[in-house]
Amino acid sequence: NAGVTQTPKFQVLKTGQSMTLQCAQDMNHNSMYWYRQDPGMGLRLIYYSASEGTTDKGEVPNGYNVSRLNKREFSLRLESAAPSQTSVYFCASSERGGNTEAFFGQGTRLTVV
Amino acid sequence: QQPVQSPQAVILREGEDAVINCSSSKALYSVHWYRQKHGEAPVFLMILLKGGEQKGHEKISASFNEKKQQSSLYLTASQLSYSGTYFCGTQSSDSWGKLQFGAGTQVVVTP
Repeated sequence: NAGVTQTPKFQVLKTGQSMTLQCAQDMNHNSMYWYRQDPGMGLRLIYYSASEGTTDKGEVPNGYNVSRLNKREFSLRLESAAPSQTSVYFCASSERGGNTEAFFGQGTRLTVV
Repeated sequence: QQPVQSPQAVILREGEDAVINCSSSKALYSVHWYRQKHGEAPVFLMILLKGGEQKGHEKISASFNEKKQQSSLYLTASQLSYSGTYFCGTQSSDSWGKLQFGAGTQVVVTP
């Protein structure tokens, strides 16, 4: 089982460029999440999707957009990248929101120069 | 709102015990605990649902006091493999489904 797959694993962007981080899960989970991880700040929730077709803002949504394309896929888009968005991004999924364990992808290390 | 974890870091010798605390200003439906090794993704340890359950995972156990909106993770007779950063994740009453994490507690177990 692949679990949660994120692409790409590494990316360098110039300020102002746009890109989409892809996430797919093969566990038939309803809920999916995007987090960013910065030193000393833990994992901060960017966006959450309870089910296909629904999305909700988390703690730090500014500068990001998301699409829950279908039950398997949840993408994160940076429209105009800024150095403050340099971070490690994790996608996660769970069967039923916060009542079941979350499975994480391996992360995308993004640097904006 | 992120839950608050303490301590920020702890250094243990093999065989020693430690407690990591997690507290929230909001009523909680569930508390999760994860461990992350350097350069890797967080890995699930256990989940505690509303009801004050205590759960165990080998020599790692946890409690959840829903009235105090707190959870504690107990590392008993620590092993070298317990080293890593521990995160609590909480689902609060006004954010159904959303899982929000604390800043983490770095645990170093030395021989």
